[in-house]
Amino acid sequence: GEDVEQSLFLSVREGDSSVINCTYTDSSSTYLYWYKQEPGAGLQLLTYIFSNMDMKQDQRLTVLLNKKDKHLSLRIADTQTGDSAIYFCADRGGSQGNLIFGKGTKLSVKP
Amino acid sequence: EAGVTQFPSHSVIEKGQTVTLRCDPISGHDNLYWYRRVMGKEIKFLLHFVKESKQDESGMPNNRFLAERTGGTYSTLKVQPAELEDSGVYFCASSQDQSDRIAKNIQYFGAGTRLSVL
Repeated sequence: GEDVEQSLFLSVREGDSSVINCTYTDSSSTYLYWYKQEPGAGLQLLTYIFSNMDMKQDQRLTVLLNKKDKHLSLRIADTQTGDSAIYFCADRGGSQGNLIFGKGTKLSVKP
Repeated sequence: EAGVTQFPSHSVIEKGQTVTLRCDPISGHDNLYWYRRVMGKEIKFLLHFVKESKQDESGMPNNRFLAERTGGTYSTLKVQPAELEDSGVYFCASSQDQSDRIAKNIQYFGAGTRLSVL
């Protein structure tokens, strides 16, 4: 079945850039998403990208999509301690639009 | 505008008991989804409503789970009887109507209900 993989942990220093990577298996994906979960909170939609795009930028966030390699990345510039959270990559799977999630990458930002 | 709200935020029950989780989607959203994250695993899809109709319930684990969305507004997810492996966080999400090609694919999530079955 369809699968989304991402590394479980990432640690960076405040002010550095963070890059969170994700791979997916569904070659017919039309939308790919990044969600953020802060401790005790729900899933916050950070950004999404259409499969016909290579890049999307939104302030400190840059999403890169390599459709050939089925690889998605999220770059956070000038990472702050408030960016510490779990980041989930998700793929719009199935004909009904349900999302397929990776296990989440826990980002730790050290001052 | 209120977001997706879920109630309760946390429920602790004993094995064999019944629990009902509630989700209020964003007003006007026709699509409502239930997902579940069991400890250490991925967030998994359970089912999808379009208005009051079940569009896809392929992710429901077994017949101990019953979801309803009477009137096409809020939804409930009942687990009866609860088992230990049902413990986890249950998320609800909603998106706009089917006629908007982009908006229907943007799902907004609630804070989740943490279910602990002892």
